Amino acid sequence: DAGVTQSPTHLIKTRGQQVTLRCSPKSGHDTVSWYQQALGQGPQFIFQYYEEEERQRGNFPDRFSGHQFPNYSSELNVNALLLGDSALYLCASSGGLAGGLMADTQYFGPGTRLTVL
Amino acid sequence: QKEVEQDPGPLSVPEGAIVSLNCTYSNSAFQYFMWYRQYSRKGPELLMYTYSSGNKEDGRFTAQVDKSSKYISLFIRDSQPSDSATYLCAMRGAMNSGYSTLTFGKGTMLLVSP
Repeated sequence: DAGVTQSPTHLIKTRGQQVTLRCSPKSGHDTVSWYQQALGQGPQFIFQYYEEEERQRGNFPDRFSGHQFPNYSSELNVNALLLGDSALYLCASSGGLAGGLMADTQYFGPGTRLTVL
Repeated sequence: QKEVEQDPGPLSVPEGAIVSLNCTYSNSAFQYFMWYRQYSRKGPELLMYTYSSGNKEDGRFTAQVDKSSKYISLFIRDSQPSDSATYLCAMRGAMNSGYSTLTFGKGTMLLVSP
C-alpha cells in the first residue's frame, strides 16, 4: 500500500517565479491538506481539498492556490515567489470510508523542499 | 501567546532513559491530540492519537492528556538512539467547530546517545 507521495523532492527557484508541487494521497483517502514548514518551526496549514473543492484555508495569501483532480491527487501553486517562501511543503491525506477517528487522521508525505534565491 | 507552546529543546538523554515531552495550549476548543515524529528532512509520522483526557499506551509510548490544565505529554520508555528525532504535538477541534484543521507546536528535538 503506497503512502503519500510528493514530487519533486527538491526545487530551487528565484524570486518572482512560479512553482507547482504535486501530491498523490494514500490509497483510499479522498482529502488532501497542504502545510508549509519553515526551518525550526511546526507545519502551518495552507489549505485543504475535498471533492475537488477548497474546503478550508489557513492564513496564507492568494499567491498560494491549489487544485484537486478526480483521482484525488493535488497540486499546490505558488506565484510571485518570495525569499520567505523557502520551506518544506508537506502534503497530508485523510478521509475515505473508514469513518471516525481513522478518517480524520492525517498521513504526511516526505515533503518538497523549496529554496527561493 | 501562541495557541500551542512546545519547548524546542534539544533534549539530550542517554539510551534507556525515560523521556517526557510536553505541550501546552490555550484554545479550549481543541479536543483531539496527536504526536508526530519527524526525522531530519522527512515528513511527520503519526505516533499517537488521543481524544479524551487520560492515558493511552502503545508499546514504549504513552500519551497523556489533561484538558483541565490544557497540557499534553508524550512519554517514551527505554529510549533508543533510533528515537532521535523531532517530536511535534498537534491538535484540533471538532469538525464543525471552526478549529478543525491541525495546529502544531514548534517541535522538540530529542537526542538519545548510545
